[in-house]
Amino acid sequence: GDSVTQMEGPVTLSEEAFLTINCTYTATGYPSLFWYVQYPGEGLQLLLKATKADDKGSNKGFEATYRKETTSFHLEKGSVQVSDSAVYFCALKPGSARQLTFGSGTQLTVLP
Amino acid sequence: DTGVSQDPRHKITKRGQNVTFRCDPISEHNRLYWYRQTLGQGPEFLTYFQNEAQLEKSRLLSDRFSAERPKGSFSTLEIQRTEQGDSAMYLCASSFTTNEQFFGPGTRLTVL
Repeated sequence: GDSVTQMEGPVTLSEEAFLTINCTYTATGYPSLFWYVQYPGEGLQLLLKATKADDKGSNKGFEATYRKETTSFHLEKGSVQVSDSAVYFCALKPGSARQLTFGSGTQLTVLP
Repeated sequence: DTGVSQDPRHKITKRGQNVTFRCDPISEHNRLYWYRQTLGQGPEFLTYFQNEAQLEKSRLLSDRFSAERPKGSFSTLEIQRTEQGDSAMYLCASSFTTNEQFFGPGTRLTVL
């Protein structure tokens, strides 16, 4: 079945460091791919998405590129801030499905 | 746009009791989803409504769980004869298209 594998956390970085959170997936067909972020005490917020191969999703300085050949959708940010501390979830939705399939999440802590 | 709201935000109950959660989706959204999130894991799909019709149910949704969406507006999720294993965050999401889901803040259930 469909699945998402995320880099295990927690990840701790200093402010202004470069961030990469790895995400790979297994799915039939050509799924849409998403990154969601969950701040403490809040619900999930869509961070960015990509719907086809080689698409790049971007938002708030975060980027991820849909790589069909490596079945990956790694999240990157050039310079993290303390306010980026949160849990990040990679997710997919195959074209025929209604629901999202999520990875287990990666906790990011950014220290000043 | 007030976002997806859920009520209550927290519920503590004793094993064997029934509980009911409510979700109010974004007003123009005709699709509504329920997910369950346990500690340290990503959300797992429970069920999906399009308007008032419940079109899909996960195998996670045992016969103790029932969901409704009368008149295609708000939705309720009821758990009968709660068990300690039901302790989790219950998330509701809504969408207008199938690609972008907007999540509520969740209801945290603790079964003692």
